Amino acid sequence: EVQLLESGGGLVQPGGSRRLSCAASGFTFGSYGMAWVRQAPGKGLQWVSGISDTGGGTYYADSVKGRFTISRDNSKSTLYLQMNSLRAEDTAIYFCVKGLGRYDYIKSDHWGQGTLVTVSS
Amino acid sequence: QSVLTQPPSASGTPGQRITISCSGSSSNIGSRSVIWLQQLPGTAPRVLIYNNNQRPSGVPDRFSGSKSGTSGALAISGLQSEDEADYYCAAWDDSLKGGVFGPGTKVTVL
Repeated sequence: EVQLLESGGGLVQPGGSRRLSCAASGFTFGSYGMAWVRQAPGKGLQWVSGISDTGGGTYYADSVKGRFTISRDNSKSTLYLQMNSLRAEDTAIYFCVKGLGRYDYIKSDHWGQGTLVTVSS
Repeated sequence: QSVLTQPPSASGTPGQRITISCSGSSSNIGSRSVIWLQQLPGTAPRVLIYNNNQRPSGVPDRFSGSKSGTSGALAISGLQSEDEADYYCAAWDDSLKGGVFGPGTKVTVL
């Protein structure tokens, strides 16, 4: 059974940093693209970032480019999102998403339960 | 403002068939496949349809997807009360080099 378990959320001050993790199990992690999608309170879904199976390809939404970094450790079956220079508008639940193939960053079949990041002083 | 366009709401009575549209452009739906997600209140999104019309295991065949040109559609037949949820369409956008979502459609079972 595919499982995606996000962690690392919490309260962070504006301008601060946070690293999210997504521990994957139930599939060959290193064979699939992965992504992060977020949802602000009461709002719709917003794609944040995607990474290819080996980590050689990374993509970002304009709203986070230069501030967020996606990475993965295939030996640990873990996906990361390093978030720097956080703003109030980054407050959201962050979901880890498994792609359908090596280079799929939105075409997906499994989503995690999410972790809440709140940016506030 | 969302790149993909969906109606904000849709409704039907139990047993009815409803359809939700998703309109995009040549850089996303026109050249890429559509996925549909269901988000029940207070829960994480769940993939209902991928590759325009494929269902993951466990998704009832009451849910079906289609695509024509730069638009996709999700049909729910035999509408049930547990289908009350928000439904989102999504696709990769080759121009933006990122994923794009519709704003979501709230389905109400009358």
